[in-house]
Amino acid sequence: EDQVTQSPEALRLQEGESSSLNCSYTVSGLRGLFWYRQDPGKGPEFLFTLYSAGEEKEKERLKATLTKKESFLHITAPKPEDSATYLCAVSTSGGSYIPTFGRGTSLIVHP
Amino acid sequence: DTAVSQTPKYLVTQMGNDKSIKCEQNLGHDTMYWYKQDSKKFLKIMFSYNNKELIINETVPNRFSPKSPDKAHLNLHINSLELGDSAVYFCASSQPLAGQETQYFGPGTRLLVL
Repeated sequence: EDQVTQSPEALRLQEGESSSLNCSYTVSGLRGLFWYRQDPGKGPEFLFTLYSAGEEKEKERLKATLTKKESFLHITAPKPEDSATYLCAVSTSGGSYIPTFGRGTSLIVHP
Repeated sequence: DTAVSQTPKYLVTQMGNDKSIKCEQNLGHDTMYWYKQDSKKFLKIMFSYNNKELIINETVPNRFSPKSPDKAHLNLHINSLELGDSAVYFCASSQPLAGQETQYFGPGTRLLVL
């Protein structure tokens, strides 16, 4: 059975304190790995898609990386507005396109 | 110009009632989904429709019945509401092509069953 595990469950940072969120996955064959950001009271908002080990993508203070077993979302010099829940999802080859979601990491950045 | 919209945003109702949630997308996508998000933020797939046809039906009570009148709309009807149905329900859409599977989510419908 496909599994997606995110850690830590919650993370508190001071403004400017860089850190990383982890998404480890166990799937039969990875088609794609997705990162989403979800603000309170809103739907998940797409950030990145990664398809192969070694791939990296960046957007402002966020950088996503992918290996054969896990993905990291690196947050450099975070600001309070980066506070949100970050969700990871994977879709597998040979099956439907429907991703399996992890339980998310709740990030709070204090000013 | 909202990409995926849902109505209503909030729904408070009594146990045993029947209610519907509507979803519309203007992205031209062929596939639409309903997800349930519990209090711990876990997103669980309920249904998926591709071009008006049901393709995924997870283990959801048959009190939940999705309907897709056309590929831009996916509605969710819930009969005999129970306390455990309280959650946030998200609609999403995507294009089922390699490299285009990114899902776009609606703002959610917060259902509270009393």
